Amino acid sequence: NAGVTQTPKFRILKIGQSMTLQCAQDMNHNYMYWYRQDPGMGLKLIYYSVGAGITDKGEVPNGYNVSRSTTEDFPLRLELAAPSQTSVYFCASSYSGRDSYEQYFGPGTRLTVT
Amino acid sequence: GESVGLHLPTLSVQEGDNSIINCAYSNSASDYFIWYKQESGKGPQFIIDIRSNMDKRQGQRVTVLLNKTVKHLSLQIAATQPGDSAVYFCAEAPGADGLTFGKGTHLIIQP
Repeated sequence: NAGVTQTPKFRILKIGQSMTLQCAQDMNHNYMYWYRQDPGMGLKLIYYSVGAGITDKGEVPNGYNVSRSTTEDFPLRLELAAPSQTSVYFCASSYSGRDSYEQYFGPGTRLTVT
Repeated sequence: GESVGLHLPTLSVQEGDNSIINCAYSNSASDYFIWYKQESGKGPQFIIDIRSNMDKRQGQRVTVLLNKTVKHLSLQIAATQPGDSAVYFCAEAPGADGLTFGKGTHLIIQP
């Protein structure tokens, strides 16, 4: 299994541009998540999905949109990029069993908005 | 403010010594806690987890202790090795709808 994959690894955007960060998992996990990590900080939840067709906001959703048309894919869309969105973005997935909420993380996408 | 935080931002230990990383949480509804290790340029990697109905859980060279009375969580790493150098995050969850992470502790291993 490849686990959780993210593309691209790095991206530089100009203010006002848009882009989509891709995330895919091959573990048949029902839950998927997007986090952002600012320098020297922990991860903050942007959006999450409990299954195909269902998404919900996390702690910091403003400026982002998501969709979940399949179990495997959970893209994150940035509209009108702003310097405040400069961060490292991590996608994660989990199987919502009763005993564990362990999340498996991708390698991240480093985004710079200038 | 953050509901999960760490007492020390940086911890320096000698190779071979034991390391203890502390974490405070404030959400009494959280019933699941997890420790992640993050190496530079990589995503977080699972270390160990614990549910609120337990006080202690052991893994390979790691032990997590949970004190619900004072809302405190700790990670103990036995016989610290150079490969243990990383940032360690605790996180809490009242359910499966995402984790709340603390800022992290940078563990530095001195030779």
